[in-house]
Amino acid sequence: SAVISQKPSRDICQRGTSLTIQCQVDSQVTMMFWYRQQPGQSLTLIATANQGSEATYESGFVIDKFPISRPNLTFSTLTVSNMSPEDSSIYLCSVSRTGAGELFFGEGSRLTVL
Amino acid sequence: AQRVTQPEKLLSVFKGAPVELKCNYSYSGSPELFWYVQYSRQRLQLLLRHISRESIKGFTADLNKGETSFHLKKPFAQEEDSAMYYCGINAGGTSYGKLTFGQGTILTVHP
Repeated sequence: SAVISQKPSRDICQRGTSLTIQCQVDSQVTMMFWYRQQPGQSLTLIATANQGSEATYESGFVIDKFPISRPNLTFSTLTVSNMSPEDSSIYLCSVSRTGAGELFFGEGSRLTVL
Repeated sequence: AQRVTQPEKLLSVFKGAPVELKCNYSYSGSPELFWYVQYSRQRLQLLLRHISRESIKGFTADLNKGETSFHLKKPFAQEEDSAMYYCGINAGGTSYGKLTFGQGTILTVHP
C-alpha cells in the first residue's frame, strides 16, 4: 500500500487566482497521477507527473492551466491557474507501485472557486 | 481510445436484495478492468480486479469480452455496501499504469 497526504484538504478561492495542491507519499513510487472528480461526473485523469521531466497531459488539459511539478519520487504539486467557478472540483493525487492498475489515492483537495 | 460507461448514476436496493452495477467498456485490445469504491468520508480504494477473479466483500465481477462488460454483482446487499463505485480500465501500452474511469454509480442499500 501507500500512504498519501494531500494539502490543502479544502479551500475557497477567488476567481482569477491560483492554488497549488501538494501530494506527499510515504515512500518512493514510480507513477504519480492527478485526477479531477467533478460533482456528478467521472474521475478524469489530468496528467501523469513525471519525475525530472515535464508532466504528460491528457486531452483537454494543458500545462499553462495545470502546471505540475515532481521534483522527486515522493512528492508532486498541481497548480490550478487563473481559476474560474468551472474549476470547482475535488483534485486527487494517486500513485501506482506496479503499473498493474492498482492505484492508491489521497483524500483529495476540495476546491471551491467563487 | 478506451472508454468506460456506467449507465446508472444512482442505484437503490433493499438490504438482502441482489445488486448489479453495470459497466461497459470500449477498447480494441485486451484491457484490464477494475472496480474502485469510495465509502462515505473515506478515500477511493480498489475493490477488485478482473485478473484476480476473486470475491471481495461478497462482490464478484466477470469480464465478458463479447459484451464488453464488467458488471459488479452481489447476491445479498448489505447497508455497509452503500458507497460510490467506479469502474476503471487500464489500457496498457503507453497508457500503462493509468486508469480511465466511468461516471460512477452511487449505491444506496436501504434497511
